[in-house]
Amino acid sequence: GQSLEQPSEVTAVEGAIVQINCTYQTSGFYGLSWYQQHDGGAPTFLSYNGLDGLEETGRFSSFLSRSDSYGYLLLQELQMKDSASYFCAVRESGGYQKVTFGTGTKLQVIP
Amino acid sequence: DVKVTQSSRYLVKRTGEKVFLECVQDMDHENMFWYRQDPGLGLRLIYFSYDVKMKEKGDIPEGYSVSREKKERFSLILESASTNQTSMYLCASIRLGTGTYEQYFGPGTRLTVT
Repeated sequence: GQSLEQPSEVTAVEGAIVQINCTYQTSGFYGLSWYQQHDGGAPTFLSYNGLDGLEETGRFSSFLSRSDSYGYLLLQELQMKDSASYFCAVRESGGYQKVTFGTGTKLQVIP
Repeated sequence: DVKVTQSSRYLVKRTGEKVFLECVQDMDHENMFWYRQDPGLGLRLIYFSYDVKMKEKGDIPEGYSVSREKKERFSLILESASTNQTSMYLCASIRLGTGTYEQYFGPGTRLTVT
């Protein structure tokens, strides 16, 4: 099975940079995804790392180190609208493509 | 745009009732998933389906069953609802072969069992 760990809460100042870490234990690993969920909304896809290294999409970047079973989401130039929960999710290797989510990190952006 | 719809946003059922939650996606996606979301526990996978009539148990399948008779529709069934199944239920789908494995989620059904 899979287990993922991420901090439960993070607070950061508007305009700053914040990093949300995710460590995982897995019996078979294919890739790591990140999702954003605003209160009352559905999760929406942010990024996916299938290979080691950094993926950049605008203000958001995601990093993966397979050897360390570790990844992070980096949010730059924080805006108030970035206040949300962020989930990492592991895609399992194998034929069925199962996905397991972490418990989520609630980010609060303060003025 | 991909659209994933769920039959109800809010549902209230009594203990012991049989409950059906419906999910429909309109983009011919192969894989579909049912999750429940509870505070502090994140999204937990109940069941997923990788093809019509094919299903696999997730991490918490007890008390649930699923049905996928058509590619676009994936139903979650609570055989005999219990109060500990009060939760937010989220359906998702994926098109394989995209590289990013992006899941598209429906708006969720908040189920209350009394």
